[in-house]
Amino acid sequence: EVQLVESGGGLVQPGGSLRLSCATSGFTFSSNGLNWVRQAPGKGLEWVSYISGSSLTILYADSVKGRFTISRDDAQNSVYLQMNSLRDEDTALYYCVRDFCGTTSCRFDYWGQGTLVTVSS
Amino acid sequence: EIVLTQSPGTLSLSPGEGATLSCRASQDITYYLLWYQQKPGQAPRLLIYDTSNRATGIPARFSGSGSGTDFTLTISSLEPEDFAVYYCQQRFSWPRTFGQGTKVEIK
Repeated sequence: EVQLVESGGGLVQPGGSLRLSCATSGFTFSSNGLNWVRQAPGKGLEWVSYISGSSLTILYADSVKGRFTISRDDAQNSVYLQMNSLRDEDTALYYCVRDFCGTTSCRFDYWGQGTLVTVSS
Repeated sequence: EIVLTQSPGTLSLSPGEGATLSCRASQDITYYLLWYQQKPGQAPRLLIYDTSNRATGIPARFSGSGSGTDFTLTISSLEPEDFAVYYCQQRFSWPRTFGQGTKVEIK
């Protein structure tokens, strides 16, 4: 069974930092890309960042570029999101999402339950 | 960045009725359109990928159609568990973007 479990969320002041973790199991971690997708309270979904299975491709939304860093540890089957210079608008539930690619298609097929980040003074 | 616009914002229907949800892209995305369902307090769940392919375990009452810029998610006969928010998403290009969602509520 595929599982993704996020942790590391919490309350942080504007300008502060936080590191999110996503522990995975049930699939060949090194072969899959991973994403972070966030959802502000009562709002829609926003893609944040992507890292490929090889870590050769790393992408960020413009809204977090230069402040957030995605990484992965294939030995630990985990992906991370280092968030610096946090702003009020970064307040959201952060989901870890598997990016499964078959022979002809890719899709966000498994989502964790999310970890809540609250940026407030 | 590709903008996805979903309509209507809210759909009020009764169990057993059919539902038609629309998603329009700001440019041609061929068939690279996905649909997700989200219930309160839960993570989104993949329903449809690449316009019309049902994800594993998704009932046949869910179907998708369209191409280019206009796409539709159809629920043939609403079950009580189908009342939720539905999001479309494109995978034609990065950044991946989502529509703002359509809420299907009980009338």
